Amino acid sequence: AQSVTQLDSHVSVSEGTPVLLRCNYSSSYSPSLFWYVQHPNKGLQLLLKYTSAATLVKGINGFEAEFKKSETSFHLTKPSAHMSDAAEYFCVVRGGGADGLTFGKGTHLIIQP
Amino acid sequence: EPEVTQTPSHQVTQMGQEVILRCVPISNHLYFYWYRQILGQKVEFLVSFYNNEISEKSEIFDDQFSVERPDGSNFTLKIRSTKLEDSAMYFCASRNKGLYNEQFFGPGTRLTVL
Repeated sequence: AQSVTQLDSHVSVSEGTPVLLRCNYSSSYSPSLFWYVQHPNKGLQLLLKYTSAATLVKGINGFEAEFKKSETSFHLTKPSAHMSDAAEYFCVVRGGGADGLTFGKGTHLIIQP
Repeated sequence: EPEVTQTPSHQVTQMGQEVILRCVPISNHLYFYWYRQILGQKVEFLVSFYNNEISEKSEIFDDQFSVERPDGSNFTLKIRSTKLEDSAMYFCASRNKGLYNEQFFGPGTRLTVL
């Protein structure tokens, strides 16, 4: 069975400063890992995905994530936050032969002007 | 850019009534999914559908739920006799062939059961 733990329910940063959203996963098999973003009243949009190729994954809007098997982590980072980054972020795992995705609880990112 | 659409955006129903939530997946996608998110909780997988049959379902997806692809474009989730605890946001998703292809999500239908 898979599980995902997002370590922070809320993260607040100032515009122009780095963003770090933390995620740890548990999976019996080599997982695929994703970060999705949800803006208010919008659907879930894929930011980036890891599927056993390069461990450092670059996504849209300047986000990237590093897969660290030894730490079972897949933290999301961005060097410089923008006001438009304010949203809910979900770390997601797929593995163990299952096709359905397992979501973390989400991290609400707040950007201070 | 193609996208998954869902209707209605908000559905209000009385307990015990049947509801049908509708989704139009991206046209060349082959795998279809339903998820739900109860307010304040995680997004949870309900069911996946491929080649006109259910390929995987969670414990949540019991006999009161059913899915159907009635034509070449729509994908529906039916809840036969709604309960208060079915109130949630329901997301439809689809993906193309290829194990590592991501799922594309619709904007969701908010179901409120009174």
